[in-house]
Amino acid sequence: KNQVEQSPQSLIILEGKNCTLQCNYTVSPFSNLRWYKQDTGRGPVSLTIMTFSENTKSNGRYTATLDADTKQSSLHITASQLSDSASYICVVSGAKGGKLIFGQGTELSVKP
Amino acid sequence: DTEVTQTPKHLVMGMTNKKSLKCEQHMGHRAMYWYKQKAKKPPELMFVYSYEKLSINESVPSRFSPECPNSSLLNLHLHALQPEDSALYLCASSQIGHASSGANVLTFGAGSRLTVL
Repeated sequence: KNQVEQSPQSLIILEGKNCTLQCNYTVSPFSNLRWYKQDTGRGPVSLTIMTFSENTKSNGRYTATLDADTKQSSLHITASQLSDSASYICVVSGAKGGKLIFGQGTELSVKP
Repeated sequence: DTEVTQTPKHLVMGMTNKKSLKCEQHMGHRAMYWYKQKAKKPPELMFVYSYEKLSINESVPSRFSPECPNSSLLNLHLHALQPEDSALYLCASSQIGHASSGANVLTFGAGSRLTVL
């Protein structure tokens, strides 16, 4: 069964600290993996999208990694800001026109 | 214009009402989507329109009726809803026929928060 699991479920960190969010998937065959940031009551906003051949992709203070062999991805946030408080959703797409599989999200709270 | 615009932002309706949610994009995307999202849960796909034709209906109850009048507009007509239908309804669009193809990216709207009394 195609699944996407994220950890931790929730995370509280202090402003200025770094953190790493994890995403494990069993989707096969694999096409691409996306990380979205969703502020409360708002729509998700794309942070990164990675295909099979990409290992690392950065977007400002966000760096995503992908290990297609172990089917794992991480999202590293550097020097966190209060505005980083949000839900971070990992979304995996299977090849051959398969549906997008959403993870349950990690709820990040950055405290001053 | 790189936005998906949804109206209204908030909607409160009774179980006998008929209302509509609207979605608009001017990015030239030819696929548009409706998702339903409950609190602290990931979005669930409801409908996909590809080139203005309904291509996916995820067994959604008939009290939800989608409509795609043209390539820029997507509506969701609501009738005889239940309180459990209260949720955030997200519209999204993507560049080609289906969001899972290649390295395509969904652009989401801000959502319409629906409350059914």
